[in-house]
Amino acid sequence: ELKVEQNPLFLSMQEGKNYTIYCNYSTTSDRLYWYRQDPGKSLESLFVLLSNGAVKQEGRLMASLDTKARLSTLHITAAVHDLSATYFCAVDIDLTGTASKLTFGTGTRLQVTL
Amino acid sequence: NAGVTQTPKFQVLKTGQSMTLQCAQDMNHEYMSWYRQDPGMGLRLIHYSVGAGITDQGEVPNGYNVSRSTTEDFPLRLLSAAPSQTSVYFCASSYFPSNYGYTFGSGTRLTVV
Repeated sequence: ELKVEQNPLFLSMQEGKNYTIYCNYSTTSDRLYWYRQDPGKSLESLFVLLSNGAVKQEGRLMASLDTKARLSTLHITAAVHDLSATYFCAVDIDLTGTASKLTFGTGTRLQVTL
Repeated sequence: NAGVTQTPKFQVLKTGQSMTLQCAQDMNHEYMSWYRQDPGMGLRLIHYSVGAGITDQGEVPNGYNVSRSTTEDFPLRLLSAAPSQTSVYFCASSYFPSNYGYTFGSGTRLTVV
């Protein structure tokens, strides 16, 4: 059974600082995603990572994927208060030729303080 | 606006009552799925569908029923609500393979008393 572990579960950081959220998963994946969720809201897609060595950046966020280590990271550069949210990684595995299963990590709640 | 529409946004049920959570998408996605989100547990897959007439169980299917009569709609039925089903429910859809990611609905917050 696929397990997806994120750490830390909670992260309090000051504005302007850098930090990394880690996502480890237990079996070979076909795709990996990062989502953002604000309180009481739905999930917003941040990144889709499809292959080993993939790196994507959007603003102060950068995501990478190492399929050999079964590890993805979400790096935050010079954090600002607007980045406060819960971040989820999710691993997608093809079950058949027409279906896949998405498994989520437990999420990392990020709080950026002044 | 194209996307995934869920109704209702909020619902309170009494134990033993039944109800249907609605989900509709207008992106012609083959794949649709239902998740529940509970504090500290991320999102867990309840049921999924790869096309009209085809459904399968996910990680936590007990107490829920689904059907898919059209590409657009994927309702989730609670047969006899229990307090353990108090949760936030999200519907998601995507193409297969999901190389562009999944699109999530706005969620339904369900409380069973």
